[in-house]
Amino acid sequence: NAGVTQTPKFRILKIGQSMTLQCAQDMNHNYMYWYRQDPGMGLKLIYYSVGAGITDKGEVPNGYNVSRSTTEDFPLRLELAAPSQTSVYFCASRAGSTDTQYFGPGTRLTVL
Amino acid sequence: AQSVTQLGSHVSVSEGALVLLRCNYSSSVPPYLFWYVQYPNQGLQLLLKYTTGATLVKGINGFEAEFKKSETSFHLTKPSAHMSDAAEYFCAVSRMDSNYQLIWGAGTKLIIKP
Repeated sequence: NAGVTQTPKFRILKIGQSMTLQCAQDMNHNYMYWYRQDPGMGLKLIYYSVGAGITDKGEVPNGYNVSRSTTEDFPLRLELAAPSQTSVYFCASRAGSTDTQYFGPGTRLTVL
Repeated sequence: AQSVTQLGSHVSVSEGALVLLRCNYSSSVPPYLFWYVQYPNQGLQLLLKYTTGATLVKGINGFEAEFKKSETSFHLTKPSAHMSDAAEYFCAVSRMDSNYQLIWGAGTKLIIKP
């Protein structure tokens, strides 16, 4: 099992550009999550999904969009990148029967 | 609303000394409590968790934590620090009735002095 994978590892964007952060898991987990991690702030939930075709907003969804067309994939889209979106982004997943989330290695995004 | 407070953004201990990382939470219903560890440039990894039952829980790498309801605390300890313990540690709380969504503390960076 690869677990939770994320691409790219690093990315630099210019203000106003768009991009998609990819997340995939091979554990057949129903639940998937996107977090951002800012220094000294802990993790903030952006969006989550309870299964294919079902997504919902977390604590800080503004400026982001998600989709969940398959169980395995949960991409995060930034439409108009802003400097405030400079952060490290983590994807996580968990099985419906457990309370433990498994994390990917993260994507470090800088918006200049 | 639930919240998690980790006391100290940085904790420095000598190799071989006791490690104590503090976590206090607020929750109106019995919480599930977690400690995750993040090594440099890596994702987060579950260290240990409390759901129900025994209030002293043991995790990986010799860490343990005790759930104290009266103090609303879930402090993380390790009797003897090792250089490899240098990492950032996050406390989190979730509730079964909120789909196990996690509320995170700000993290504590553990520094080990040789």
